[in-house]
Amino acid sequence: GDSVTQMEGPVTLSEEAFLTINCTYTATGYPSLFWYVQYPGEGLQLLLKATKADDKGSNKGFEATYRKETTSFHLEKGSVQVSDSAVYFCALIYRYAGNQFYFGTGTSLTVIP
Amino acid sequence: GAGVSQTPSNKVTEKGKYVELRCDPISGHTALYWYRQSLGQGPEFLIYFQGTGAADDSGLPNDRFFAVRPEGSVSTLKIQRTERGDSAVYLCASSDNGNTEAFFGQGTRLTVV
Repeated sequence: GDSVTQMEGPVTLSEEAFLTINCTYTATGYPSLFWYVQYPGEGLQLLLKATKADDKGSNKGFEATYRKETTSFHLEKGSVQVSDSAVYFCALIYRYAGNQFYFGTGTSLTVIP
Repeated sequence: GAGVSQTPSNKVTEKGKYVELRCDPISGHTALYWYRQSLGQGPEFLIYFQGTGAADDSGLPNDRFFAVRPEGSVSTLKIQRTERGDSAVYLCASSDNGNTEAFFGQGTRLTVV
C-alpha cells in the first residue's frame, strides 16, 4: 500500500548548518507530497507541498523537489536557525486511494546556537 | 472559525469509560480527517469524511471507535470502553476538497488511567 519512509532522527545541527531530511514514498499513481512541521507545544502546520513530478515546494527557506524517478521528496535548508527546531513530517495524499494522508514517523530537529 | 478547533484539549478518563472528542473544522471545508498520534510516531489515519458521510473508515482500530459528522461540519469521535492503549493525541484536520493540504487542530490529548 501507499506509505512514506522518513529519515530517522533525532538530528542535531549547529546554527547556519545545511539541513537534509530524507523522505521516500511508495504509491500507485501520482500522489501529492507535503512536509508538515510541528513546533514544540503546537499543532501540525503545512510547511510546503508539491502536487506533480518535478515541482519544487518552498517556504521559509526550506525546499523540497518532487522526484518521481527516485520516489523522493527530500527536505533541505541551506542555513538552519534555532527557531527551526521542531519535528518534521513527510506526507502524501493520493486522491484515488481513499484521500487519506499518509505520514512518515517524523524527524526531530534541534538547532543549537 | 479561523482554524480547526478541538475540544477538550486534554481528557483524562478511567479505563472502561466512554469519551467523546469534538472537532470544529474550518468553515466551508467539506473534508474532515481524524488521526491518532502516539509519542514519537507520525499521525495514524483513523477516518475521513467527505460531507456527512464517512468516505473511508479503514483506520478505525476496532468497533469501540466511531465517528459522526451529522451536518457536514462538526465531527465527534466516540470511544467506548476505553483502554489504556487508547491514550494518545487525537488530531482532527480539514481541507476544502479532500485533495489538497489539510489544516490541523491542536489535538486532544487523551489519557486513560
